[in-house]
Amino acid sequence: EAGVTQFPSHSVIEKGQTVTLRCDPISGHDNLYWYRRVMGKEIKFLLHFVKESKQDESGMPNNRFLAERTGGTYSTLKVQPAELEDSGVYFCASSRNSVSEAFFGQGTRLTVV
Amino acid sequence: GNSVTQMEGPVTLSEEAFLTINCTYTATGYPSLFWYVQYPGEGLQLLLKATKADDKGSNKGFEATYRKETTSFHLEKGSVQVSDSAVYFCALVVLNSGYSTLTFGKGTMLLVSP
Repeated sequence: EAGVTQFPSHSVIEKGQTVTLRCDPISGHDNLYWYRRVMGKEIKFLLHFVKESKQDESGMPNNRFLAERTGGTYSTLKVQPAELEDSGVYFCASSRNSVSEAFFGQGTRLTVV
Repeated sequence: GNSVTQMEGPVTLSEEAFLTINCTYTATGYPSLFWYVQYPGEGLQLLLKATKADDKGSNKGFEATYRKETTSFHLEKGSVQVSDSAVYFCALVVLNSGYSTLTFGKGTMLLVSP
């Protein structure tokens, strides 16, 4: 069984540009989470999908971030326009239900210069 | 709110040394406690967990005991190997609130030299 897959593994963009991160959850997992780790700080929750619906987006930092999960399969996280403070590692996780173990992807390292 | 505090790193040890990484927490509700590990170039992996007081989680020679009285979940290993070099994250989740409450510490880098 394939694990959670994230694309790209690394991205370097200039301030003001747009970047889209993608997450493919484990097949059959209705719950999908995005987290972010800014350098040297905690991994912080961003948002939670149940199928295609946003269950909780309380961790989204501002309206430059847009997450979608059309069809309830893979998810994208778009940052537009990117700022320097958006640099960090973005993790995606999925779980079968909201209380079962969440499995993480390898993360996308985003560097905004 | 929920928070996790773990010791700052990096922790540098020689192979076969004893490892302790301290972790304390505060939580609203009854948390489950976890240690995650991130090896170089890989994703976060669940290392071990404990869901109630006095439970001991163990895996790959690592252990941690859920201490409610001291709100701690310290990670230990009796003899570390070079392959244990990684970043270790202590975390908690209040399960009846779901994994959106998953709260991590800042991570502790462990470097083990031969």
